[in-house]
Amino acid sequence: EAQVTQNPRYLITVTGKKLTVTCSQNMNHEYMSWYRQDPGLGLRQIYYSMNVEVTDKGDVPEGYKVSRKEKRNFPLILESPSPNQTSLYFCASSSGQGPYEQYFGPGTRLTVT
Amino acid sequence: EDKVVQSPLSLVVHEGDTVTLNCSYEVTNFRSLLWYKQEKKAPTFLFMLTSSGIEKKSGRLSSILDKKELFSILNITATQTGDSAIYLCAVRPDNFNKFYFGSGTKLNVKP
Repeated sequence: EAQVTQNPRYLITVTGKKLTVTCSQNMNHEYMSWYRQDPGLGLRQIYYSMNVEVTDKGDVPEGYKVSRKEKRNFPLILESPSPNQTSLYFCASSSGQGPYEQYFGPGTRLTVT
Repeated sequence: EDKVVQSPLSLVVHEGDTVTLNCSYEVTNFRSLLWYKQEKKAPTFLFMLTSSGIEKKSGRLSSILDKKELFSILNITATQTGDSAIYLCAVRPDNFNKFYFGSGTKLNVKP
């Protein structure tokens, strides 16, 4: 089954404790992206990647890091999480033939206390 | 600054009603506009529009784009309770692979 998986699905952590949210897709997609969703603000793009070792900033990259060492994986790293990073995070992937239809992962709900 | 604005923010209708959701945008070098439906999970793709005036249809849902006036509408006819969701509009500029999402319209269809 074609899918995007994220782990963990739920995470409660404390300020400053480094964490990684994993994202993996099995569709051989070139394009992958991370979003955060907050009430009233819709989806905001954090980082995206056009292919292995090619990443770029979205609208709200501050406080986040990403890496794309393999085509299927695109982890999101919070080196020093803060409470304002409490949010619902989505990973998405798309074919490299123009990132049109993005397939979204199930989401990760992160709470930073 | 690139932005996407959706209206209304929320809407309550009864089954059988027809609804129109709006999406206006200001994006440098527009390439495409996409509509997504989000229930209690991840967004799912509905339509992609790139040309003005060409209506996309899928069952009771249809959408059209006006590139001159910089907006799109999503119509849902004969609404059902299963249409209750947040509808998201996203715009992609031509020279980037970023996506700009609106804040969404929350639709509640009552029996």
